[in-house]
Order: sequence, then C-alpha cells, then structure tokens
Amino acid sequence: NAGVTQTPKFQVLKTGQSMTLQCAQDMNHNSMYWYRQDPGMGLRLIYYSASEGTTDKGEVPNGYNVSRLNKREFSLRLESAAPSQTSVYFCASSDRGGMNTEAFFGQGTRLTVV
Amino acid sequence: DAKTTQPPSMDCAEGRAANLPCNHSTISGNEYVYWYRQIHSQGPQYIIHGLKNNETNEMASLIITEDRKSSTLILPHATLRDTAVYYCIVSPYSSASKIIFGSGTRLSIRP
Repeated sequence: NAGVTQTPKFQVLKTGQSMTLQCAQDMNHNSMYWYRQDPGMGLRLIYYSASEGTTDKGEVPNGYNVSRLNKREFSLRLESAAPSQTSVYFCASSDRGGMNTEAFFGQGTRLTVV
Repeated sequence: DAKTTQPPSMDCAEGRAANLPCNHSTISGNEYVYWYRQIHSQGPQYIIHGLKNNETNEMASLIITEDRKSSTLILPHATLRDTAVYYCIVSPYSSASKIIFGSGTRLSIRP
C-alpha cells in the first residue's frame, strides 16, 4: 500500500519550459489536492478535485492547470515555468465525507526554475 | 472557510506536555477542527480531528471549548521527534470542501 506517490521527486526547469507533475493514490479516495510550499512558509492550495471529473481553483491557481485523469491520478501542469514557481509541491488525497476524513500527503516534488 | 490563528512558535521541555492553542472564532456549525504536523520538509501528517467533543488518540488529545471558538492540541509527553510545524485547520466534513492551511506553530522540543 503505497499511499500517495508523486513523480518526479526533484526537477530543474529553465524559464519558459513546461512540465507535468504526476500524483497517484491507491486508497480509492474521492478528493485530491495540489499544494505548493515556499521556503519557510505554510502550504498554499493550488487546485483541488472533489471527485473524478471535477476540479476547482484554490488559493494560488495562476500559472497552473490540472487534470483529474481518473479516480487515482491528479496531475499538475506548468505550461511556461517561471522562477516564482520554484517551490516544493505536495499532492494529497482524502475520503472526505466518508469514514476517513484525514488527508494523506505525498513526499513532495522539489522544483527549481532557473 | 473559517480562518485560524496560532502562535508562530513555542517550545517545550522533553517529557513535558506540549499544549498548542488555536483560535477559530468564526467557525461554523458544520466545520471540524483538524490538526496536522509537518516534520522538516516531509509531507504533512494527520494528527487528530474533532467537532465539539474532546478527542484522544495514540498521538495526542484535542480539547475544544464549549463555544467551539478555540481548541488546544496536547502532546502528553513530548519527545525530540515531536519537533515540527503544527497546523490547525477548520473545514466542513464534505468531499467538496477545500483544506486550507494557515502558517502554523513551530514547536521546538528542548532536551
């Protein structure tokens, strides 16, 4: 039981490059989330998906797009990376509204944009 | 979503109880209080949650005031491994709701 798996763990991009961060969960959770965490700061919600086929903006959605590919997978895409997007990105999932409401987090993707 | 207020930092002696306060004066009737912690740069870890009754599990106890406007997370016997940032979050028990983190409390456990 792997929980929440994020790939890649580390990435360096040049300004203007694009990339997709992958997230998969094996807990059959309905809800999935993407956060970013800048150095010394708390987590900020980028996008979330309450269920398969739905996505909603969080606190800081500009510069990002998401896809809820199926119940297991929720990807985050940077179309044209900027140095301001240098951060640690965390994916999470939960079964809110179900028996287990706690959110489970992946180990993070450390992204540097130069 | 209701906002929470936590002290930016606290410290506690190893072996003593660590009491972390959280104010959530605008909490709604359908919102739960959740606590998470983040050790170093790892992903946050769930600790405990509650609606209005006090709760206890193997990690901690959660005390919610009768008016639900504040709560306290208690780590009964703090160890060095409890050094982390602790986040108090209020959120509805609903799959459609966001999970919004505040700035949290940085807890340092001194030997």
